[in-house]
Amino acid sequence: DQQVKQNSPSLSVQEGRISILNCDYTNSMFDYFLWYKKYPAEGPTFLISISSIKDKNEDGRFTVFLNKSAKHLSLHIVPSQPGDSAVYFCAARKGGGSNYKLTFGKGTLLTVNP
Amino acid sequence: DADVTQTPRNRITKTGKRIMLECSQTKGHDRMYWYRQDPGLGLRLIYYSFDVKDINKGEISDGYSVSRQAQAKFSLSLESAIPNQTALYFCATSDPSPGRTDTQYFGPGTRLTVL
Repeated sequence: DQQVKQNSPSLSVQEGRISILNCDYTNSMFDYFLWYKKYPAEGPTFLISISSIKDKNEDGRFTVFLNKSAKHLSLHIVPSQPGDSAVYFCAARKGGGSNYKLTFGKGTLLTVNP
Repeated sequence: DADVTQTPRNRITKTGKRIMLECSQTKGHDRMYWYRQDPGLGLRLIYYSFDVKDINKGEISDGYSVSRQAQAKFSLSLESAIPNQTALYFCATSDPSPGRTDTQYFGPGTRLTVL
């Protein structure tokens, strides 16, 4: 049972435009969400996170939106740059004593074309 | 220098061989993790350790064992490698201290192929 879903395996956008990556989750116990970026031959790199008490978190060109009622979050990248081309993983974790455990989506490959 | 390092970066081995993957970190984090990633799948947790004396199984621990030699070192062993253990393996660390978010930081990965 996949608790974190990234339904788009890939996304292609033009440089300078907005990239929107989506993530859905099924477990209402998740209270903290993270996005990781992964380049080939490298490990995932932490990008941005959001707590369930917020609906938006912004860091430079990256903004994550959380819609708890829909169990949906999205990552917006504005403006997109060719160096943003990578696989993006959405991850979620529960609060309380098991807050170590991250559940990952399968990832979305973003390609930003010059 | 990288905060989380993994050795080897690539390894090809044969079915039945014992193999060890090593992870070292200079971040000073107490928590360390081992994940594997298969093509088209997200990362899945194999083992995790909250400190040197604390080792716990993750969701896919069968066929694997770990050793936490020091705060900075966490090794993953495959006692008798099999082809379906061919995957990318990632080590991660995190800091659960008050005021920290316990965000996990990953090493560069080890690509393991079992023939």
